[in-house]
Amino acid sequence: QVQLVESGGGVVQPGRSLRLSCAASGFTFSRHAMHWVRQAPGKGLEWVAIISHDGSNKYYADSVKGRFTISRDNSKNTLYVQMNSLKTEDTAVYYCARDVRDIVVVASYMDVWGKGTTVTVSS
Amino acid sequence: QSVLTQPPSASGTPGQRVTISCSGSSTSIGSNTVNWYQQLPGTAPKLLIYSSNERPSGVPDRFSGSKSGTSASLAISGLQSEDEADYYCATWEDSLNGWVFGGGTKLTVL
Repeated sequence: QVQLVESGGGVVQPGRSLRLSCAASGFTFSRHAMHWVRQAPGKGLEWVAIISHDGSNKYYADSVKGRFTISRDNSKNTLYVQMNSLKTEDTAVYYCARDVRDIVVVASYMDVWGKGTTVTVSS
Repeated sequence: QSVLTQPPSASGTPGQRVTISCSGSSTSIGSNTVNWYQQLPGTAPKLLIYSSNERPSGVPDRFSGSKSGTSASLAISGLQSEDEADYYCATWEDSLNGWVFGGGTKLTVL
C-alpha cells in the first residue's frame, strides 16, 4: 500500500541542525513532487517546502527560506529536509506529503500524508 | 496570521448541514483551485476535496466543496459524530510562490 514514513525528529537546541527523512513505498516515488508540512503544538498546518519529481525545482515558505533545504534521492525513495539554524518556533510535527503531480504546478494537491515526526527546539 | 481566513469553530447536530468558509484574495483563491483537508484528533491530515469541488474516491458524497471569487466553502450534509475534526483549506498563493493553509476550523458535533 502507498505509505510515507517520516523519521529523524527529536529534541535539539536552538541554533543547531537536524535532518528529517521520509521513506516512500507502494508507488513510483520518482513520478511525484513532494512536500513538507508542519504543525506546531495546538496550531494549524503550515506548508514548509515542495520539490519537483526530479529535484530541479524547489519552493519554500518565507519562514524557513535560507535555513531549510529540501532534497530527494529517487534511488532510495526518500525525501529529506535539512533544517539549520533552528529556532524555538520551528517546534512542530513535520509531515511529508505526496503531490499528485510530478512538477510544481498551482492546480495540484497533496493526496497522501505520512504520520509525522516531532521536532522540539529547546535549550 | 493566515493568508486564508477560516472561522475557528463550527458546530451542528447529527443529521444537520454545516458549511465552513475560507476567505482569500485575488492572488490566492481568486486565481487558483482550493483543496480541503480533514484532520481527525491525533491523526495526520487527509485529503477531503481537491480542485475546489472534486472528491477523492472513498470520501462520502456528504462532503462537497465550492468556490466563488476569492472565497471557498466546504459543506457537510447529514452530519455524523465521526465528522468531528479540524478542517483546513489550502491553495497556492501567487504573491508568495508557495502553498498556504487556512487557520483551520474545529467542527464539533453536538
